[in-house]
Amino acid sequence: GAGVSQTPSNKVTEKGKYVELRCDPISGHTALYWYRQSLGQGPEFLIYFQGTGAADDSGLPNDRFFAVRPEGSVSTLKIQRTERGDSAVYLCASSYQGQGTDTQYFGPGTRLTVL
Amino acid sequence: GENVEQHPSTLSVQEGDSAVIKCTYSDSASNYFPWYKQELGKRPQLIIDIRSNVGEKKDQRIAVTLNKTAKHFSLHITETQPEDSAVYFCAASTGGQNFVFGPGTRLSVLP
Repeated sequence: GAGVSQTPSNKVTEKGKYVELRCDPISGHTALYWYRQSLGQGPEFLIYFQGTGAADDSGLPNDRFFAVRPEGSVSTLKIQRTERGDSAVYLCASSYQGQGTDTQYFGPGTRLTVL
Repeated sequence: GENVEQHPSTLSVQEGDSAVIKCTYSDSASNYFPWYKQELGKRPQLIIDIRSNVGEKKDQRIAVTLNKTAKHFSLHITETQPEDSAVYFCAASTGGQNFVFGPGTRLSVLP
């Protein structure tokens, strides 16, 4: 079946603007994760959804970052008042049930560039 | 919280030789350790994982070993091929949802 998809693949914006990044998980996966990956670094956890609810948002760096998953499938990561330091690849992953030992399948990422 | 270190940061081997990447973790409660391979511009892909009740796992040319006492685990790739060239990430999970990734190892397999 189809894997995790993310749109857009690339997003260039100006400092101070608002952006939305979308993630479509694998069908039937209840758990969805957002990570941020800076150049030369490993993925950094941002937020985890189990169904519609954010079960763990401890990785969100500040209140400019917010994510939703209203119907328990597609998720949107929202960044307000973007800063140059927000430039990174934003990765989404999903897993079947969100058990700690479930395999996480990653999407291709959205490369965000803040000018 | 959990901290994962990974060494070396870069590794070059001749085709056919073996490659070993080591990771250490800090939280003794961690019980799941996946390894991901990421080619340039591509998504991370799981290549092998190990759970804390197992000391070693092998899948063809790839193997992972886990030492819970020392809190380290290693990826072993034998008979390396040029297509093995990529960045490899280890991760640790306590069974919760927060995977903590290492900083990555860039492996280059020279023909």
